[in-house]
Formats: sequence, C-alpha cells, structure tokens
Amino acid sequence: KNEVEQSPQNLTAQEGEFITINCSYSVGISALHWLQQHPGGGIVSLFMLSSGKKKHGRLIATINIQEKHSSLHITASHPRDSAVYICAGHNTDKLIFGTGTRLQVFP
Amino acid sequence: KAGVTQTPRYLIKTRGQQVTLSCSPISGHRSVSWYQQTPGQGLQFLFEYFSETQRNKGNFPGRFSGRQFSNSRSEMNVSTLELGDSALYLCASSLVLAGGSYEQYFGPGTRLTVT
Repeated sequence: KNEVEQSPQNLTAQEGEFITINCSYSVGISALHWLQQHPGGGIVSLFMLSSGKKKHGRLIATINIQEKHSSLHITASHPRDSAVYICAGHNTDKLIFGTGTRLQVFP
Repeated sequence: KAGVTQTPRYLIKTRGQQVTLSCSPISGHRSVSWYQQTPGQGLQFLFEYFSETQRNKGNFPGRFSGRQFSNSRSEMNVSTLELGDSALYLCASSLVLAGGSYEQYFGPGTRLTVT
C-alpha cells in the first residue's frame, strides 16, 4: 500500500469550474506538500502544510490531520491551470510522492 | 535571487557508462535533495544532503551516489548505466524557516536517456 495516495488520476474541467484533488496519507507523514508540474518537467512547490488551510490566489489547500487527508482546490479554473498536481508526504527528511493528478481545463 | 540550476539539461548515454549530474541550489540553501521521475514509477526520492553530509537515502542501488560540496552545490553519479535509468532527475534545494517549516524549490531537471 502506497504511503501517499491521490485521486482522481485524471480530471477534465471546463474553464471556470471549481476543482478538487484529494490526497490520503499514512502514519509517519508529518507534513504534506502540493506540487505542480507542467509539460516539460518543471515542478513548482505550491504549498506545504501540516495543519489547517492555506490560500494563494485561486488555490486553496486544506489538511485534516485526524483523517490523514488533504485536498487541493482550484477556484475559477483556467486553461493555464492544466498540469499534473502531485501531493507529497514529508517523512523524516524525504518526500514520498503520490502518483499525480493530470488536470486539463478546457476553454 | 537565481533559482535552482541543473546541468546538463539533456544527456544521452550508453548502457554501461557512468554519468554525473550537477545541481546548484539557491544561494543560502544548505539542503539539496535528488529525485528520479519515470513514467512507470513516478517521482521517487534518491537522497538528501545537508552541509556536505548525506542525511537520508531512498531505496536505490549503490550505483546511485551523490555528494555535496562546501558551497552547497551537489552532484549525483550513476555508474554502470542501465536502460531503466532513463528518467528525469530533479534536484530541489530547501531552506528551513522559523517554526520548523521549510520552503523547497525544484530545479528544471536533467533528462537522461540511456540507449
């Protein structure tokens, strides 16, 4: 069983839709990262959170420590949000990655 | 501030050869982590260096090694290359913030193709 599991694997949306990507993790994960990877490989770290909620622009990340669950929300989605979103659990000094969610937003 | 740089960006090697990849972290960042990304296995942690010491290592064979220099630049080496080593190799540098959280910034990656 993977220590970090993401869903869905693929997601398509129309521009303007509200999007949610989910991530569940196992014991031993002390913090959760959300990463964005565009075609070509470049990765951007969006959030790191160990409790509560963080917001940056149209992106919101939440984490429920008791449930061991985190969500990434995108409000008013736009085609430029099309990318692979990866959650990663921080375990000691290493990151354990989910399999990623491929998001495509159509105009 | 310059971002994380990785060289080379693309590399083609033959089975059995060895390769060295380089990563220069953001100025002031003392931690450098290396990751391998393949279509089959996704992103996997290779190792992490902090102040020239390897702090953590993932589940990779001994053919994968690394080091960090006093200026925090890091190199990773793969010896006796296999076809399955074809991947995007990413490094990330980290800065610990007050309160114990940290910021991590990824480099653009080195795409290695083994033929």
